[in-house]
Order: sequence, then C-alpha cells, then structure tokens
Amino acid sequence: GAVVSQHPSWVICKSGTSVKIECRSLDFQATTMFWYRQFPKQSLMLMATSNEGSKATYEQGVEKDKFLINHASLTLSTLTVTSAHPEDSSFYICSARMTGASNYGYTFGSGTRLTVV
Amino acid sequence: AQSVSQHNHHVILSEAASLELGCNYSYGGTVNLFWYVQYPGQHLQLLLKYFSGDPLVKGIKGFEAEFIKSKFSFNLRKPSVQWSDTAEYFCAVNAGGATNKLIFGTGTLLAVQP
Repeated sequence: GAVVSQHPSWVICKSGTSVKIECRSLDFQATTMFWYRQFPKQSLMLMATSNEGSKATYEQGVEKDKFLINHASLTLSTLTVTSAHPEDSSFYICSARMTGASNYGYTFGSGTRLTVV
Repeated sequence: AQSVSQHNHHVILSEAASLELGCNYSYGGTVNLFWYVQYPGQHLQLLLKYFSGDPLVKGIKGFEAEFIKSKFSFNLRKPSVQWSDTAEYFCAVNAGGATNKLIFGTGTLLAVQP
C-alpha cells in the first residue's frame, strides 16, 4: 500500500535556529502534499497545501515566511521552520495524496515532534 | 468555509459496550467524509470513507459510519468495543476543489476499560 515516510520523527533545537522536516512518498507519486500541525490534545490543523513545482498554498494565519515549504519532486516535500521559537514546539504531520487517485486516498506520515528550547 | 465538529471530546466505555461518535460538518455541496484513528504513539490510520453510494459505510475493525445528508452528519459506530479500540478518533471532510484538502474535527479520545 501507499507509504509516506516523514523524517525526523523527533527533533530538539535551540531557539532561533531552523529545522527542516522531510516528507517522502515511498511507492507512489504525490502531486499534492499537506502539512498539518497538532497541538497536545487537539486536532490536526492544516497549515498549507504543497503542490509539486509551484508555490504552496497557506491557510489563513500561517506565516509563509516562517514555515517554508518546498515540493521539488513528486515524491518529496519539505517543511522548514525558520527561526524557531518555543511556541513552535508541536507535532507536525504530512499527508500525501496519490496523483490521479480517484478515491481521494490520503496517506499520512508518522509525524515529527519538534521541541524548541 | 468548511468545518467539522465532533461533539464528544472524551468517551469512556467498558468492553463490549456499543459506541457512537458524533460528527457534523458544515458545507452545502458534495463532500467526501472520512474517519481516522490514531492509536497512542502511532500515526493516523484510515478507518473508513464515504464518497458516494450506500450511505452506510463499513470500515476496518468492525467500525461503520452512516452518512445522513439532511443532518450533515457522519457518525461512527461499533456494536461492541474492545480494549484495543482505545485511541483518538478524528472525523474529516473534503469538499473537493483544486486542492482536495482535508479538514479535521477536534477529535474524540476513547478509553475502553477492560
């Protein structure tokens, strides 16, 4: 079945540094990938939609200069949290949708736990 | 804008009890509906989905959900829960369009007592 690999699974960084999270579709091509953020005991909040070869579409309230998204190929999207601060600590999850899928199949990565100290 | 609401934030049941988790969405057009489960320490897994056809959808692990268009609802049910069903359950809706993005409900934490 469709598998999405997300790396790293957890990361601790110092305030002011940048962190890159990778999301790879291992056995399928994904024209569109999605980035979510999940706070403790809360739901997944969609941050942005990442489209291969074009700019990401950000949800209202999400700072595009802080959360840089690159989708350079059909199997890889990256999220870079720039100048991270403690309030950016969260669980980040990516999701990929198979190109041309008629059944709206979404596959989720295992998430990245970011802790900014 | 689309939104999804799940009325129950925490549910505690004994094994063999029946389960029903509520999910309502706000969108007037055609929607695709999903239920996901997140077991402790694991990633989201698809339980079931509705696109069209029979409004009663059967998923994995004995779960089912019924789409009631007039009520904008897609409640999740299971006749007899097990301890292993302890997890967080998320309802999600996709209203199509260019991005096909999924919007999630706030989730329901289910604890099943043995």
